[in-house]
Amino acid sequence: SAVISQKPSRDICQRGTSLTIQCQVDSQVTMMFWYRQQPGQSLTLIATANQGSEATYESGFVIDKFPISRPNLTFSTLTVSNMSPEDSSIYLCSVENPRDLDEQYFGPGTRLTVT
Amino acid sequence: AQSVTQLDSHVSVSEGTPVLLRCNYSSSYSPSLFWYVQHPNKGLQLLLKYTSAATLVKGINGFEAEFKKSETSFHLTKPSAHMSDAAEYFCVVSSGGGADGLTFGKGTHLIIQP
Repeated sequence: SAVISQKPSRDICQRGTSLTIQCQVDSQVTMMFWYRQQPGQSLTLIATANQGSEATYESGFVIDKFPISRPNLTFSTLTVSNMSPEDSSIYLCSVENPRDLDEQYFGPGTRLTVT
Repeated sequence: AQSVTQLDSHVSVSEGTPVLLRCNYSSSYSPSLFWYVQHPNKGLQLLLKYTSAATLVKGINGFEAEFKKSETSFHLTKPSAHMSDAAEYFCVVSSGGGADGLTFGKGTHLIIQP
């Protein structure tokens, strides 16, 4: 299995500012994924990030609000831009199990509170 | 289209008693179904997976789930709860094809009373 770490684990930010979340994997992976888990809600996929190409965003998410970088096969960042209280969520990154693409390995998440 | 409904947002049981976490799904395909567990400040961990090989699926830590097509259910059970089982549990349905085919339930918070 893959071991995934995220930084920061939590943060409290003021509205209008931006936060960049880092995701590090202990092995090389082709695809990395970013999810949002709003309070009391299920996980929602934000985007899929392939190394060397633009991220693919799901309906309702746009690059200007959630720019993603994928500079190599073990690392990705998600930026939450121009934050508002509605952005308060847990943000998780994940990677696929290469032997079973339905199965995901998840990071511990970043708990973001916007005041 | 597919969807997942976890019927209970919170379940509280006493240590040593059975656990039942309920999940219903809808899918246009023959789905794969999963249960993930999320302990505080930890990433989601796969408990078990159904892929049509057997309707009763055994997972880690003594958990199992039974796929019932006629009831479109995939309930998670454990005969005897342990304090370490306290966590958030997510039922997930997949239409195949990776992360963009996954639909998560809202989660069930399992509380274990001593």
